[in-house]
Amino acid sequence: NAGVTQTPKFRVLKTGQSMTLLCAQDMNHEYMYWYRQDPGMGLRLIHYSVGEGTTAKGEVPDGYNVSRLKKQNFLLGLESAAPSQTSVYFCASRKELAAYEQYFGPGTRLTVT
Amino acid sequence: GQQLNQSPQSMFIQEGEDVSMNCTSSSIFNTWLWYKQEPGEGPVLLIALYKAGELTSNGRLTAQFGITRKDSFLNISASIPSDVGIYFCAGNSGGSNYKLTFGKGTLLTVNP
Repeated sequence: NAGVTQTPKFRVLKTGQSMTLLCAQDMNHEYMYWYRQDPGMGLRLIHYSVGEGTTAKGEVPDGYNVSRLKKQNFLLGLESAAPSQTSVYFCASRKELAAYEQYFGPGTRLTVT
Repeated sequence: GQQLNQSPQSMFIQEGEDVSMNCTSSSIFNTWLWYKQEPGEGPVLLIALYKAGELTSNGRLTAQFGITRKDSFLNISASIPSDVGIYFCAGNSGGSNYKLTFGKGTLLTVNP
């Protein structure tokens, strides 16, 4: 079991460029989440999904889009990157509604210049 | 939205010392989780608490779900250098069963 994996691990973008971050989990979990982590701000929820084909907005969704076409994958897209999106991005998954434990991937460090 | 106040923000201790940190909320939580994050890694779940008053251990770590349901505590006994990292509390207050609220973390440094 690889758990939750994220690609890429690092990326540098220029302002205005686009990219997609991939999250994959092999635990057959229903729920998946994208967070960003900034110094002094803790973890902030960007978007989440409660099942294949569903997505919902979190606390800080602006500038991001997501898709969950397959249960095991959750993609985070930046259509036009801005320096304010420089951050470390974490994906997490959760098995079911009855269990609140979320399991995190190793993170993607994104720098937008 | 809900906020969790986690304290202290940082701690510098000597190897062998015990450590205590806590998380408080203005609203009632029905779940408390504690995570540890090491540099360059994602948070790793340490302990999950589901009942008020519950006390759960994981090796040298012990966490408690406060009886008021508005706080939780994490204790680390006999600290070692590999305990270094950021410790986060997280919880669910029932407003949305899908999401967790996270504290801002306690940075723990252990001097050998």
